[in-house]
Amino acid sequence: EMQLLESGGGLVQPGGSLRLSCVGSGFTFKNFPLNWVRQAPGKGLEWVAVINDNGGTTDYADSVKGRFTISRENSWNTVFLQMYSLRAEDTAVYYCAKGNWASGNQYGMDVWGQGTTVTVSS
Amino acid sequence: DIQMTQSPSSLSASVGDTVTITCRASQSISSYLNWYQQRPGKAPRFLIHTASSMHTGVPSRFRGSGYGTEFTLTISSLQPEDFATYFCQQTRFSPTFGGGTKVDFK
Repeated sequence: EMQLLESGGGLVQPGGSLRLSCVGSGFTFKNFPLNWVRQAPGKGLEWVAVINDNGGTTDYADSVKGRFTISRENSWNTVFLQMYSLRAEDTAVYYCAKGNWASGNQYGMDVWGQGTTVTVSS
Repeated sequence: DIQMTQSPSSLSASVGDTVTITCRASQSISSYLNWYQQRPGKAPRFLIHTASSMHTGVPSRFRGSGYGTEFTLTISSLQPEDFATYFCQQTRFSPTFGGGTKVDFK
């Protein structure tokens, strides 16, 4: 069974930093793009970032560009989201999601983790 | 960014009903439109990709259609487990989601 498991969420003060991790299993991790998608309390889904299979290409939502960095370590089956300069509006459940196709996100995101909660508050 | 607009934002239905959710893109996205289901407190579940292709294991009562800027998700013979929130997503460009449609009990 394909699975993703996030960790690293917590309470952080505005302006602070946090690093999220997501470990994949049940599929050939190095062959697929990985995404972070977030959901603020009571709100819809917002795509945050994507990294391609070998880590050479990344893309970010405008709302996090310059503050968040996505990376991956395929030997550990892990993708990371390093978050800096956190704001109250970054408060959300953060999901890791696997691209459904090796070449990118064109065919959707077929496997999702259970999410990890980030709260930015003083 | 491509804006995705879903309608209605919520609807009430009964078990056995057929419901239709519409998703419109601010510009053409070809067929790069996906649908997800989310139950309260759970992660999204992948239903349909490229407008009309059902993901593995998704019941045949879910059907997607459309091209360009207008897409629909139809759920026939609504079952109790189908009461949830549904999101569309375009992946022609950097991904963006619709605002969601909550399907609840009438």
